[in-house]
Amino acid sequence: AQSVSQHNHHVILSEAASLELGCNYSYGGTVNLFWYVQYPGQHLQLLLKYFSGDPLVKGIKGFEAEFIKSKFSFNLRKPSVQWSDTAEYFCAVKGNDYKLSFGAGTTVTVRA
Amino acid sequence: DAGVTQSPTHLIKTRGQQVTLRCSPKSGHDTVSWYQQALGQGPQFIFQYYEEEERQRGNFPDRFSGHQFPNYSSELNVNALLLGDSALYLCASSWGTFRNSPLHFGNGTRLTVT
Repeated sequence: AQSVSQHNHHVILSEAASLELGCNYSYGGTVNLFWYVQYPGQHLQLLLKYFSGDPLVKGIKGFEAEFIKSKFSFNLRKPSVQWSDTAEYFCAVKGNDYKLSFGAGTTVTVRA
Repeated sequence: DAGVTQSPTHLIKTRGQQVTLRCSPKSGHDTVSWYQQALGQGPQFIFQYYEEEERQRGNFPDRFSGHQFPNYSSELNVNALLLGDSALYLCASSWGTFRNSPLHFGNGTRLTVT
């Protein structure tokens, strides 16, 4: 079974700062990788996904993530955050068993 | 947009009781998965239903059971509730059971067991 580790529990930054959230997974086979976001009071929403091909994937709201197979990593980035990016971010992995496994999440607080 | 709808939104039960949570998938979706999200943790996979059968199951005891109806809606049942069952229960729907099928989540049902 696969597992997912997110490096930071809580990140606090100012508007216009750059954001990078770390995600590592443990699984030896082919994986599909996802980042989900949960804004306050809202449901989980898909930010971006990686299935195959270009390891640099772009998602909604200016987010991107890079899949580095050799490091089993799928880090999320945004060059310049806004106050509205305050949310909880979850990395998730789906392996050959087709079960989606989530990390513990990172709470991002953006100060105006 | 007929997204994933869950009911009820909040529920308070006593230890030992039984509870049923309900989920209607997004329009066009035929697969429903259930997740448990404890406070401060990521969602944990409970099970997945497709064609009215349980297809996948996570590490949850038999007290957790489910059902899928012909209209693709689903129920999650938990028997003999424990304090540790207090959590946000999320329903997610997708089209088919393919690995690259993105999940669409509902807002969840907050269950409190006292």
